Amino acid sequence: EIVLTQSPGTLSLSPGEGATLSCRASQSVSSNYLAWYQQTPGQAPRLLIYGASSRASGIPDRFSGSGSGTDFTLTISRLEPEDFAVYYCQQYGSSPRITFGQGTRLEIK
Amino acid sequence: EVQLVESGGGLVQPGRSLRLSCAASGFTFDDYAMHWVRQAPGKGPEWVSGISWNSASIGYADSVKGRFTISRDNAKNSLYLQMNSLRAEDTALYYCAKDRLWGSYSSHFDYWGQGTLVTVSS
Repeated sequence: EIVLTQSPGTLSLSPGEGATLSCRASQSVSSNYLAWYQQTPGQAPRLLIYGASSRASGIPDRFSGSGSGTDFTLTISRLEPEDFAVYYCQQYGSSPRITFGQGTRLEIK
Repeated sequence: EVQLVESGGGLVQPGRSLRLSCAASGFTFDDYAMHWVRQAPGKGPEWVSGISWNSASIGYADSVKGRFTISRDNAKNSLYLQMNSLRAEDTALYYCAKDRLWGSYSSHFDYWGQGTLVTVSS
């Protein structure tokens, strides 16, 4: 099973700043099948990025994904108030052994 | 508008069974694989099970294999999860989730329901 480790656990930033979230896999993610989700309190996760770098439908271009192999990054430029949430990475390259990271909480400083 | 509405959750004793349902609308249900993903309180999501559009491909997490059974009824636009031999560690919010890719079992999810809570406790 591929273990995904996200860092940092919590990130404290101000609106307007940029954010960089990391997701490291215990082994290479096949075909860069890595997704990122955003979850706000009381809501279901929302798909942001798939295939490591492709934005999902309706996602603003301030969200971008990058990386390959075992190291992946979600970058949010110019944080908006609604961006403060928990972010999860997910690998789906080793289906059916699909795994999620433990999450990064992005909070307002 | 895509809608996924789960039902069937509740409080159940360890060792008992429960059947979850998910009613789908707003898309051509029988074109997409569907999945169940759960989230324990304060934890990250955990994929539970998935089923291809024609039920030919089915997968389970190791933690539920042999206890849970996924199924679908394309005529009723519905997804199901039969959960047997429930354990305390199965306590979670259970989401129904739609696979993003048409006709494929890609296992990443572009729409989620709001979830149904399953609590396993004596």
